[in-house]
Amino acid sequence: AQTVTQSQPEMSVQEAETVTLSCTYDTSESNYYLFWYKQPPSRQMILVIRQEAYKQQNATENRFSVNFQKAAKSFSLKISDSQLGDTAMYFCAFMKETSGSRLTFGEGTQLTVNP
Amino acid sequence: NAGVMQNPRHLVRRRGQEARLRCSPMKGHSHVYWYRQLPEEGLKFMVYLQKENIIDESGMPKERFSAEFPKEGPSILRIQQVVRGDSAAYFCASSPFKGSLNTEAFFGQGTRLTVV
Repeated sequence: AQTVTQSQPEMSVQEAETVTLSCTYDTSESNYYLFWYKQPPSRQMILVIRQEAYKQQNATENRFSVNFQKAAKSFSLKISDSQLGDTAMYFCAFMKETSGSRLTFGEGTQLTVNP
Repeated sequence: NAGVMQNPRHLVRRRGQEARLRCSPMKGHSHVYWYRQLPEEGLKFMVYLQKENIIDESGMPKERFSAEFPKEGPSILRIQQVVRGDSAAYFCASSPFKGSLNTEAFFGQGTRLTVV
């Protein structure tokens, strides 16, 4: 079974600064996908970024980028130029290649961006 | 193309009543997933369905919970004889069938169930 661990229950950052959220996972699979989802107070789950394990290049989406270390089973999210609208709960998630689109989530990190 | 639609958004039930949560997947999506989010926790997988077929129900409690995805109409998550511990947000996600290629699932806004 897969496990996803987010060791930072809460983090805060000043507006315009950079913050990194940590995620580690455990799996015996060789092919899989990793995701970061954002859950604002509205509770809507919003996909932030996605990484395929077979790709060595780290994914980037505008101000969001990941540091994917496959050997270390680490998948951190970096948010640059933080904005007030980034305040949300962030979940790291794992998806096997062979399980449809079923996701295993971490416990989440509550990020607060301060003005 | 409408997103994943869940209703109701909020549901209040008394202990012992039944709760029915509905999920209409995105157009063209034939796979549905249900997750439960307890307060202050992450989402936990419950069940994975295709139309008229349960693919994986390993996360479903053995009693009182059931799910279906009929040929016509939305997917239904049914909780019988609700207890206070069932109070949670229930999320539905859908994805298209793409053979061996995986794709991310798209989430609905969730149904918050409160048992009083």
